[in-house]
Amino acid sequence: GAGVSQSPRYKVAKRGQDVALRCDPISGHVSLFWYQQALGQGPEFLTYFQNEAQLDKSGLPSDRFFAERPEGSVSTLKIQRTQQEDSAVYLCASSPGTGVAYEQYFGPGTRLTVT
Amino acid sequence: GQNIDQPTEMTATEGAIVQINCTYQTSGFNGLFWYQQHAGEAPTFLSYNVLDGLEEKGRFSSFLSRSKGYSYLLLKELQMKDSASYLCAVREESGGYNKLIFGAGTRLAVHP
Repeated sequence: GAGVSQSPRYKVAKRGQDVALRCDPISGHVSLFWYQQALGQGPEFLTYFQNEAQLDKSGLPSDRFFAERPEGSVSTLKIQRTQQEDSAVYLCASSPGTGVAYEQYFGPGTRLTVT
Repeated sequence: GQNIDQPTEMTATEGAIVQINCTYQTSGFNGLFWYQQHAGEAPTFLSYNVLDGLEEKGRFSSFLSRSKGYSYLLLKELQMKDSASYLCAVREESGGYNKLIFGAGTRLAVHP
């Protein structure tokens, strides 16, 4: 079946603009994660959803970052008043369950460039 | 706190063997993953270790020593397409779920 998809794949925003990044997880996957990956670095955890509940948002860098998953499937990561340091690839991953047996499947990411 | 270290860059010759090391210090350890990431693409799963020892899967093997906080990924019979970043990630149990803590990645360049 289809994997995790993300849109847009590329986004250029002027500093101060708001952006919304979309993630379509694999159908039926309970867990959804957002990561931020700066150039030349590994992905860093941002937030975690179990179905529609956001159980962990400890990795969100500031209150300008907001994520939602209202119906427990599609998720949106919103960044308000973008800054240059927000430029990165934003990866979404989903997993069928919540326990240790479950691997995370990654989407291709959205590359955000703030000018 | 969490700390995962792996070499920044490595080079190797086509057909050779390369070992990429990863050391970690984390709390709530629940397994270690290796992912491959080609430039501009999603990380893809390579291997998973939760118990000490060696896991072999085709040309790729991964080793874990929990007491030493150490893992390595071994790639045999290197091919040009193996040129990519290799990410070591520790799974931590936190609040009833598991999240991945990644190292910065090792960029491997395979040359003829």
